Amino acid sequence: KQEVTQIPAALSVPEGENLVLNCSFTDSAIYNLQWFRQDPGKGLTSLLLIQSSQREQTSGRLNASLDKSSGRSTLYIAASQPGDSATYLCAVRPWGGSTLGRLYFGRGTQLTVWP
Amino acid sequence: DAGITQSPRHKVTETGTPVTLRCHQTENHRYMYWYRQDPGHGLRLIHYSYGVKDTDKGEVSDGYSVSRSKTEDFLLTLESATSSQTSVYFCAISESQDRGVTEAFFGQGTRLTVV
Repeated sequence: KQEVTQIPAALSVPEGENLVLNCSFTDSAIYNLQWFRQDPGKGLTSLLLIQSSQREQTSGRLNASLDKSSGRSTLYIAASQPGDSATYLCAVRPWGGSTLGRLYFGRGTQLTVWP
Repeated sequence: DAGITQSPRHKVTETGTPVTLRCHQTENHRYMYWYRQDPGHGLRLIHYSYGVKDTDKGEVSDGYSVSRSKTEDFLLTLESATSSQTSVYFCAISESQDRGVTEAFFGQGTRLTVV
């Protein structure tokens, strides 16, 4: 069974810092990896999707990298802002088979950016 | 935003009563999923569907059933609600792997309280 771990569980930083959130997974046979953001009491918003053949994806101040062989992904947030405060979730989708597209989630990193 | 609507958004019900949650999508995606989110457990898959009338169990399916009679609707039923089913329930959709990129999109969630 795929296990996904996110470190740290919580992070509190001043505005303007560059951040790295970590995600590790136990089975490298993945189809893709997806990073989500979740605000309190809200649903999950997709931030970045990295296919297994890709090494990184960028969207604005966000950059996600994938090292499938070592079972790791990082989400880099540049010049953090208070509006970035949220929980960030990493999820992996296994390659085909009986799993039929389901996602395995980490428990998230709760980020607080203070002014 | 992907067209996913969950109803109701909030519900309080009594132990032993049946409850049905609805997920409606306008994206014509093949796969639909029900997850529950609990503190300390993260997101866990309850049931999923890979087509009309095609469903299968996830890792926490006991006490739940699902139905999908149309592409756009996926219903989750708690047959006899228990306090342990108090949770936030999320519906998600994605396309199939044979169509390439399979980004998952989530609804806003249903907060269910069983008293």
